[in-house]
Order: sequence, then C-alpha cells, then structure tokens
Amino acid sequence: DQQVKQNSPSLSVQEGRISILNCDYTNSMFDYFLWYKKYPAEGPTFLISISSIKDKNEDGRFTVFLNKSAKHLSLHIVPSQPGDSAVYFCAAHNAGNNRKLIWGLGTSLAVNP
Amino acid sequence: NAGVTQTPKFQVLKTGQSMTLQCAQDMNHNSMYWYRQDPGMGLRLIYYSASEGTTDKGEVPNGYNVSRLNKREFSLRLESAAPSQTSVYFCASGGYQETQYFGPGTRLLVL
Repeated sequence: DQQVKQNSPSLSVQEGRISILNCDYTNSMFDYFLWYKKYPAEGPTFLISISSIKDKNEDGRFTVFLNKSAKHLSLHIVPSQPGDSAVYFCAAHNAGNNRKLIWGLGTSLAVNP
Repeated sequence: NAGVTQTPKFQVLKTGQSMTLQCAQDMNHNSMYWYRQDPGMGLRLIYYSASEGTTDKGEVPNGYNVSRLNKREFSLRLESAAPSQTSVYFCASGGYQETQYFGPGTRLLVL
C-alpha cells in the first residue's frame, strides 16, 4: 500500500507558465516532506523541503505547499523553463522510521518551448 | 568535495556471477542507503545503514548483501546475479532533516 502517491505520471506545460506537481500521503506521522528532481542518467537531486509545522516554503522559482488536513502537498514552479523538464519525486519522512524516506513513483514534467 | 561517488558506472554480468557496487561519501553523514530504480517502480530501498556499524533491510533486500566499511563507505554485493537484478542502483547519504544526497548511479545489466 503506497503511503506517498503521485497520481499524475506525467505533466506537460508551456515555457513561462506555472507547473504544479501534486503529492498525496496517508500517514499522519510524516513530519518532513521533500521534493527531488531527476534527469535521465543522473541521480536524484534535492530540490526543496518542508516541515510538517509549516504550510509553505519558497526557494526562488520553487514553492512547496503543505495542506495537512487534506494530507496533500504540491510543488509550484513559476515560471517554468525547458531545463525544468525532469522526473520529480515526492518523499516523506516518518520521525519513528529510523531515517528512511518513503517515496512516490514520480511525475515526469515536460516544459515545452 | 565530490559528494557521493559510485563505482562502476556500468556493468554487464552473466547470470550467477557476483559483483560489488562501491559507494563513498565525503559529507560526514551518518546514514547511507542503497536503492534500485526500475521503470514505473520509483525508488525502492534495498538496504540502509543508520550509522557506522549498523545495517538494516529495506523493501527489497533479497539477493543482496551490504557492508558499512567505515563512516564513508557503504558497499552492495550481489552474490549470484539474476536477470531480475537488472536495474539502476543509486547510493545516497543522509544529512540534515533526513535530506538524502544521491550518487550518479550504476547501470547493471544481467544476462
């Protein structure tokens, strides 16, 4: 049973527009959430994170929103650029889970020029 | 400061052969991880080491063994490779707030 779900396998947006990637989770014990970006033939790279005590975290063009009551988080990329085309993974940490992360299956984002 | 390094980058094995994937980190992190990534399956945890001297099974440990050689190095061994172990393998180390930093990956093909 997947505790972290990324229900959209793929997303396509136009350059300059907003990209919104979504992630749902089931475990209310998750205390920290992370987004990673992965290019083909490379390892995932950390993008942005948010603690469960916050509802928003911003870093340049990237903003993560957390809605704890809905057990939902989203990553907003504004404006989207062709270089943002990659697979984005959502991950969650459970304070009692001995430093492991629970991963979603990823969303492939294509930003079209 | 190289971060997380993995060797080899590519490997082709025949069924039944053995090999060891090497991983090293220079970020002084306590925790280290081995994942495999298969199409449509996301990242699946094979083994992890929360600190030097400890190792624990992840989601898919069967067919693998690990060694936490010291704080820097964490190796993954396939004793008798099977075609089902064809995958991309990623090593990661864990830093502040459980943020994990990944190596570039090892692409393994088992024939």
